Amino acid sequence: NAGVTQTPKFQVLKTGQSMTLQCAQDMNHEYMSWYRQDPGMGLRLIHYSVGAGITDQGEVPNGYNVSRSTTEDFPLRLLSAAPSQTSVYFCASSLSSNYGYTFGSGTRLTVV
Amino acid sequence: RKEVEQDPGPFNVPEGATVAFNCTYSNSASQSFFWYRQDCRKEPKLLMSVYSSGNEDGRFTAQLNRASQYISLLIRDSKLSDSATYLCVAGGSSASKIIFGSGTRLSIRP
Repeated sequence: NAGVTQTPKFQVLKTGQSMTLQCAQDMNHEYMSWYRQDPGMGLRLIHYSVGAGITDQGEVPNGYNVSRSTTEDFPLRLLSAAPSQTSVYFCASSLSSNYGYTFGSGTRLTVV
Repeated sequence: RKEVEQDPGPFNVPEGATVAFNCTYSNSASQSFFWYRQDCRKEPKLLMSVYSSGNEDGRFTAQLNRASQYISLLIRDSKLSDSATYLCVAGGSSASKIIFGSGTRLSIRP
């Protein structure tokens, strides 16, 4: 049972480049979310989804897009990378809001 | 104001001590509450859910006070391995929007 799988684990981007962070879960969870974590800021919600075809904005959605075409996958797209997007990105999934989230191991992104 | 607020600490306590953290949330409609533990450079891991009646898991006790909109975590007989950052979580403006506090750092000294 792989749980929540994030790829890549590390990435360096140049300002203005775009890329997609991948997230996949094999637990048949309906709820999936993307968070970013910066020093002293805790985890901030970027986008979340309650099922295939349904997404919504979190606390800090600007500069990011998501889609949820299948239950398993929830990719996060950076449209035009900026140094302010340097962070650790976590994807998480849950059966429902009454259950805690299971997190992936994170993607460490540096934008230069 | 953040929807979920925690004292960042650090709390530095001796092994065997009892330590308590509080966390306040601003959305009175929040229905789900959790405590997570995060070790340095690792992903957060679920420690325990928090129920209205309070709940206990070994040395850990969680409480919810809806009237005052805070949740608490009590750790008894603390171990060196309890050193970590503890994150509290409340359901946000919709049940599916889960908001994390910034975390409280705990350091247990021998």
